[in-house]
Amino acid sequence: GENVEQHPSTLSVQEGDSAVIKCTYSDSASNYFPWYKQELGKGPQLIIDIRSNVGEKKDQRIAVTLNKTAKHFSLHITETQPEDSAVYFCAASGSSGGSYIPTFGRGTSLIVHP
Amino acid sequence: KAGVTQTPRYLIKTRGQQVTLSCSPISGHRSVSWYQQTPGQGLQFLFEYFSETQRNKGNFPGRFSGRQFSNSRSEMNVSTLELGDSALYLCASSLDGGRGETQYFGPGTRLLVL
Repeated sequence: GENVEQHPSTLSVQEGDSAVIKCTYSDSASNYFPWYKQELGKGPQLIIDIRSNVGEKKDQRIAVTLNKTAKHFSLHITETQPEDSAVYFCAASGSSGGSYIPTFGRGTSLIVHP
Repeated sequence: KAGVTQTPRYLIKTRGQQVTLSCSPISGHRSVSWYQQTPGQGLQFLFEYFSETQRNKGNFPGRFSGRQFSNSRSEMNVSTLELGDSALYLCASSLDGGRGETQYFGPGTRLLVL
C-alpha cells in the first residue's frame, strides 16, 4: 500500500518568514495530493491540493509543488502569520478497490512567533 | 451548504463499554470515511461506506464496525472499549469517493476511555 513520509514534525518560524513542509510517497499510481490544516479542537480543513498532471499550484500565500519522478511534494507558505499556526497534513491518494482512500503523513506542527 | 457534522463532540466511557458515534455528510455526498486520530499514530483509516455498503476497511479489529443509512448518514460503533481506543474520531465525506475527489472532514468526536 501507499506510504507517506512528512518532514519536519515541528517547524518554528518568525512572523513574515517562509515555511516549507515536505512529503514523499511510495505508490507511483497516486495522482491526487491534498494538504490539510488542523487547528486545535477542529477537524482537518483542505487548504490546497494538486493533481499529478500539474507541477505547481498557488493560492495567495500558499503554494504546492509536485515532482512525480522523485515522488515528493511540498507545501510552501510565504509571509507567515500567527494564524498560520496549526498542524498541517499531507496526503496521497491512489486506488483501493472502487475508491481512492488517501494515506496521510504524520503531520507538521507549525508555530509562527509574532 | 452545511459541512460535515458529528455527534456527540465529546464522550467519556469506561473500559468494556460500547459506544456509537454519528456522522452526517455534506448534502449530496455519498461516500463517508472514518478515521482515528491519536498523537502517536496520526490519522488512521478505519473504513469507508458508499451506498450503504462498506467499500474499504483499514487494519482495525472487529470491535470497530460501522454502517451507512439510505440518506448517507453513517454511524460507527466500538464494542468492548479499551484504554487505547481513546482518540479523536473523524468522519469525512466526498461525492463518490472517486479519483481525485476531496474529502471534507467534520470536527470529530473526542472519546476518552477510563
